[in-house]
Amino acid sequence: AAGVIQSPRHLIKEKRETATLKCYPIPRHDTVYWYQQGPGQDPQFLISFYEKMQSDKGSIPDRFSAQQFSDYHSELNMSSLELGDSALYFCASSLEGRLDMNTEAFFGQGTRLTVV
Amino acid sequence: RKEVEQDPGPFNVPEGATVAFNCTYSNSASQSFFWYRQDCRKEPKLLMSVYSSGNEDGRFTAQLNRASQYISLLIRDSKLSDSATYLCVVKGNTGKLIFGQGTTLQVKP
Repeated sequence: AAGVIQSPRHLIKEKRETATLKCYPIPRHDTVYWYQQGPGQDPQFLISFYEKMQSDKGSIPDRFSAQQFSDYHSELNMSSLELGDSALYFCASSLEGRLDMNTEAFFGQGTRLTVV
Repeated sequence: RKEVEQDPGPFNVPEGATVAFNCTYSNSASQSFFWYRQDCRKEPKLLMSVYSSGNEDGRFTAQLNRASQYISLLIRDSKLSDSATYLCVVKGNTGKLIFGQGTTLQVKP
């Protein structure tokens, strides 16, 4: 079965550079979430989209932005990168269309960003 | 105070042991509850959803107590392959998934 696809898997950037992370959700899933996980930390919610509209916002820095496109894939744009942005970035998708469903979210393998 | 709290452990148990993890959440409007498993440097993988009536999947049993805002996971007959971090995840009424800090389990031969 198709899973959540993230690209790239690994990324090395220098301070003050920009990075774009991509996420392709499971087909027919309407919701995408972005999470940041630092070493030894639990995943921290950044932002989510439902049907291409931002549905919730967490601890996403102003230097970051994200969007969901018409084909439901999502991109996380990160500018003015800092050393502290080095982390694993996970994307997850779920089907939220039916409110009576205990809908699970499925995660991609993540993008490991290293800022040097 | 974190919205979802877990004992980080580590829990070190011998093979065959029964181990239980607990999780509490602060938002009484939370809608859905899950246990995820995360291996080192890998993505979280869904272990099981947690239903109000409690549910079981093989050696794993999950319980939910809405009145106490408490979730548990019981693992029976632990295997070496169960060694991982177990994440308690709560979904709020906006759909956002909130993670606990995870409980580390080490199963020893």
